[in-house]
Amino acid sequence: DGGITQSPKYLFRKEGQNVTLSCEQNLNHDAMYWYRQDPGQGLRLIYYSQIVNDFQKGDIAEGYSVSREKKESFPLTVTSAQKNPTAFYLCASSWMANTGELFFGEGSRLTVL
Amino acid sequence: KQEVTQIPAALSVPEGENLVLNCSFTDSAIYNLQWFRQDPGKGLTSLLLIQSSQREQTSGRLNASLDKSSGRSTLYIAASQPGDSATYLCAVTLEGAQKLVFGQGTRLTINP
Repeated sequence: DGGITQSPKYLFRKEGQNVTLSCEQNLNHDAMYWYRQDPGQGLRLIYYSQIVNDFQKGDIAEGYSVSREKKESFPLTVTSAQKNPTAFYLCASSWMANTGELFFGEGSRLTVL
Repeated sequence: KQEVTQIPAALSVPEGENLVLNCSFTDSAIYNLQWFRQDPGKGLTSLLLIQSSQREQTSGRLNASLDKSSGRSTLYIAASQPGDSATYLCAVTLEGAQKLVFGQGTRLTINP
């Protein structure tokens, strides 16, 4: 079955630690995205990538980093520089950047203890 | 700056009713508009995608309309069922932009 797989589903982190969230897609999509969702604030774009080895900052990129070494993979690292990392993180992909339907993974919930 | 608003934030109706969810956006120069469904603790599922040149799209009991000139879209749900209970979000893509702008969603509850 084609789709987007995010892991882990739940993650706990101590303050000062970096964590990496995995996102893998087998839809052969060129574009991939990371969003953050907080209660009452909707979805906010962290980073996006239109093609392998290229990515751009979204609206709230500070404290995050990404890589796009393979078409199917777009991992997100939440660094210790992110002031308020506790949130629900969603990965998405589309055939081309914003010219088609957006598909989402099931999300990863990060809690900082 | 494009802003997307969904009103009401929450809606509760009895099973079987037809209902309309609203989405408004401030900049009419959009490339497309999408409606999504989100169940608690889950990712988003795409329901309907309307290109800027289209007026509406239909899928089963769902019908989405788009009026670019007035900056509005509606999602019509016919014969609502308890399984339709979820949060519904709309999102627009500005022409020439590389990202979607999301509304905050309408939390829908269908009561048996």
